[in-house]
Amino acid sequence: EAGVAQSPRYKIIEKRQSVAFWCNPISGHATLYWYQQILGQGPKLLIQFQNNGVVDDSQLPKDRFSAERLKGVDSTLKIQPAKLEDSAVYLCASSPWDLGTEAFFGQGTRLTVV
Amino acid sequence: GENVEQHPSTLSVQEGDSAVIKCTYSDSASNYFPWYKQELGKGPQLIIDIRSNVGEKKDQRIAVTLNKTAKHFSLHITETQPEDSAVYFCAARGGYQKVTFGTGTKLQVIP
Repeated sequence: EAGVAQSPRYKIIEKRQSVAFWCNPISGHATLYWYQQILGQGPKLLIQFQNNGVVDDSQLPKDRFSAERLKGVDSTLKIQPAKLEDSAVYLCASSPWDLGTEAFFGQGTRLTVV
Repeated sequence: GENVEQHPSTLSVQEGDSAVIKCTYSDSASNYFPWYKQELGKGPQLIIDIRSNVGEKKDQRIAVTLNKTAKHFSLHITETQPEDSAVYFCAARGGYQKVTFGTGTKLQVIP
């Protein structure tokens, strides 16, 4: 079974530029998560999708971050404009829609804003 | 919302000794508690999990205990090996499958 795929692996941009990350979850997984992990901290949930609907985006800075999951499969996360404090690893994860099942993580995209 | 606290933040043990990491959670509706291991440059990987109707679960050298009344759960690693060195995260899953992570424990196993 193929895992969660993310791209790119690394990205360096200047502040005020825009950037987009892509995630392809495990086939058949209804739930998709985007997490932000700042160095030395635990992953923080940015947004959670159930199929193509948003379940939770309470911690997404909506003035600069946006995410979509068209057709309930792939997802993109965009930052526009980026700030220095957005430097982090952005993790995508997916899980089946069953109670008590694990979330499978991709390797993440390391973003550096200079 | 859910709040998960984890301690210690760093832990050094001699190879062969045991390591214990403890977490507390705030949302009594949380019903699933996974533990993840994260190695450098990789995403978190599940190592063991426990559901709210179970008090203890063991998988070889790894065990997890859950006290729902006190809202705390712990990870126990016995006979630690150098390859156990990594950052470990506890997490709690509540309503709508929302997963909240702890702050992480950096475990160093000294050969």
